Amino acid sequence: QQQVKQSPQSLIVQKGGIPIINCAYENTAFDYFPWYQQFPGKGPALLIAIRPDVSEKKEGRFTISFNKSAKQFSLHIMDSQPGDSATYFCAARSGGSNYKLTFGKGTLLTVNP
Amino acid sequence: EADIYQTPRYLVIGTGKKITLECSQTMGHDKMYWYQQDPGMELHLIHYSYGVNSTEKGDLSSESTVSRIRTEHFPLTLESARPSHTSQYLCASSPTGGGHGYTFGSGTRLTVV
Repeated sequence: QQQVKQSPQSLIVQKGGIPIINCAYENTAFDYFPWYQQFPGKGPALLIAIRPDVSEKKEGRFTISFNKSAKQFSLHIMDSQPGDSATYFCAARSGGSNYKLTFGKGTLLTVNP
Repeated sequence: EADIYQTPRYLVIGTGKKITLECSQTMGHDKMYWYQQDPGMELHLIHYSYGVNSTEKGDLSSESTVSRIRTEHFPLTLESARPSHTSQYLCASSPTGGGHGYTFGSGTRLTVV
């Protein structure tokens, strides 16, 4: 069964810290790796995404690092703020005609003031 | 701003009642999905559709049913609600070709008493 393993389940950092959330996958056919951010009472929203031919992608304070040989990717949040407190999901997309996403189990991030 | 709408946002209903959760999208996406999300955060795929008159069961067994008569509309029905159905239900859609992954609605918080 296709799986994406995400860790840690929860994470607490101080304002200004750099939380790191890790994901690992097995299926080498995955061709797109998005991260979603979910605030309480809302649906997940696309935050940043990367393709396997790129090792790093930055968008503002958010960076994805991708290690194709290790089949791992991670989200780093620079200069974290209390407003970044949310649940983060990594995902991996199957190629082919269906483009189905497989989600990690989520990480609850708390950034203390 | 996500162009996928779920109604109602909150629903409290008695055991045995029939309910329909509405999901509509205005983006012309051919693929639509229903996820169940409990307070433990993990997203569980319960139904999906790759187009009109196409519906499939997801990874998590659910007593709910879905229909896809129009591209933009993907309602979920529970014939006889039970307390075990209490959860948040999230609808999502994605375009042909995968695009930038899924767009999620804000969810319906269902409580069965």
